[in-house]
Amino acid sequence: QVQLVQSGAEVKKPGASVRVSCKASGYTFTTYAIHWVRQAPGQRLEWLGWINAGNGHTKHSQKFQGRVTITRDTSAGTAYMELSSLRSEDTAVYYCAREDVITMARGVFNWFDPWGQGTLVTVSS
Amino acid sequence: DIQMTQSPSSLSASVGDRVTITCRASHSISSYLNWYQQKPGKAPKLLIYAASSLQSGVPSRFSGSGSGTDFTLTISSLQPEDFATYYCQQSYSNPLFTFGPGTKVDIK
Repeated sequence: QVQLVQSGAEVKKPGASVRVSCKASGYTFTTYAIHWVRQAPGQRLEWLGWINAGNGHTKHSQKFQGRVTITRDTSAGTAYMELSSLRSEDTAVYYCAREDVITMARGVFNWFDPWGQGTLVTVSS
Repeated sequence: DIQMTQSPSSLSASVGDRVTITCRASHSISSYLNWYQQKPGKAPKLLIYAASSLQSGVPSRFSGSGSGTDFTLTISSLQPEDFATYYCQQSYSNPLFTFGPGTKVDIK
């Protein structure tokens, strides 16, 4: 079945960088975009950015411009999200999610399904 | 950027109750609205896409409605497994998707 499996939990010091991986299986990796979303403790889901797994084009939230880098390795069927200059407020669970799409009479609609299991990133001195 | 709000932020309900959650967008987003359910320690799960289309495998007690700026998620008869947090998400400004703050449904 379609599945996204993420790398394990990380503990980082302030100022460091973290890279989270997201391995896809059960579908042709380059056919779908992958998004990254995070959730700080008790907070809402926050969109970080996106990569077109086919051509590698990316877009990031303005909030993370300059700190987030999203890449992919098509041979490995894996997407990566790297966040630099970490601070305590970056402590969160980071999710990857596949963007699915459907064309209906009333338009072209997109959503996230499935999601990875989440990766806890803890930033602490 | 399109901002999303939800009401209420939390609610208490009993098994069998009809539950309604509202989501509002800061600008018109037509029908580009999705709903997700999230349980503690788990990733979100898609319930509704395109404002009113039920995702395959999701029970029919879940339904969505609305267009423009105002949307509703309804659970017609709350079941024990429905106690969770529900998020709306706009896909109008694809690929920049934004989520609402969530509505926590717990047991009365």
